[in-house]
Amino acid sequence: KNEVEQSPQNLTAQEGEFITINCSYSVGISALHWLQQHPGGGIVSLFMLSSGKKKHGRLIATINIQEKHSSLHITASHPRDSAVYICAVWRHGNKLVFGAGTILRVKS
Amino acid sequence: NAGVTQTPKFQVLKTGQSMTLQCAQDMNHEYMSWYRQDPGMGLRLIHYSVGAGITDQGEVPNGYNVSRSTTEDFPLRLLSAAPSQTSVYFCASSYSPGYSGNTIYFGEGSWLTVV
Repeated sequence: KNEVEQSPQNLTAQEGEFITINCSYSVGISALHWLQQHPGGGIVSLFMLSSGKKKHGRLIATINIQEKHSSLHITASHPRDSAVYICAVWRHGNKLVFGAGTILRVKS
Repeated sequence: NAGVTQTPKFQVLKTGQSMTLQCAQDMNHEYMSWYRQDPGMGLRLIHYSVGAGITDQGEVPNGYNVSRSTTEDFPLRLLSAAPSQTSVYFCASSYSPGYSGNTIYFGEGSWLTVV
């Protein structure tokens, strides 16, 4: 079993819809990243969090350390949000472990 | 700031050849790391470094070598390329790994094909 599990693997939404991507992990961590990867490669960290909730524009990330679960929400989705979203956790010991990613497509 | 710079962006190698992927950062980050990304596998850690002169193995280190002689540079060497090393490689850096508030920065990726 992978240490970091994401769901769903694929997600298609209509423009304007509220989107949720989930991440569950099975190891002790010091922090968690939500990453975005557009076609062609580039990876950008959207959020890094170790507790609670963070918001940036239309993006919201939450984490529940006790339940070992995090969610990424996108409000009022737009076609430019189409990308791969990756959950990654910092295991104790300086190692970053990644989920397989969620492929999001937002249709206009 | 240039951020994290990786070269080359594309490379085709023959089986058995050796090559070095270069990675440099100008943010004075202590932590640098190399990952490979394969379809259906996600990103996996190859090697990482927490400072000049200190390196350690990740999840998939076999066939790769690293060194960290300066804070800025962290090259990844393929000793004898194999088709199984065909992948996209990413270098990343962070000031202090896993510490909330210190984000991680990725290079643009290097597409490597071994024939």
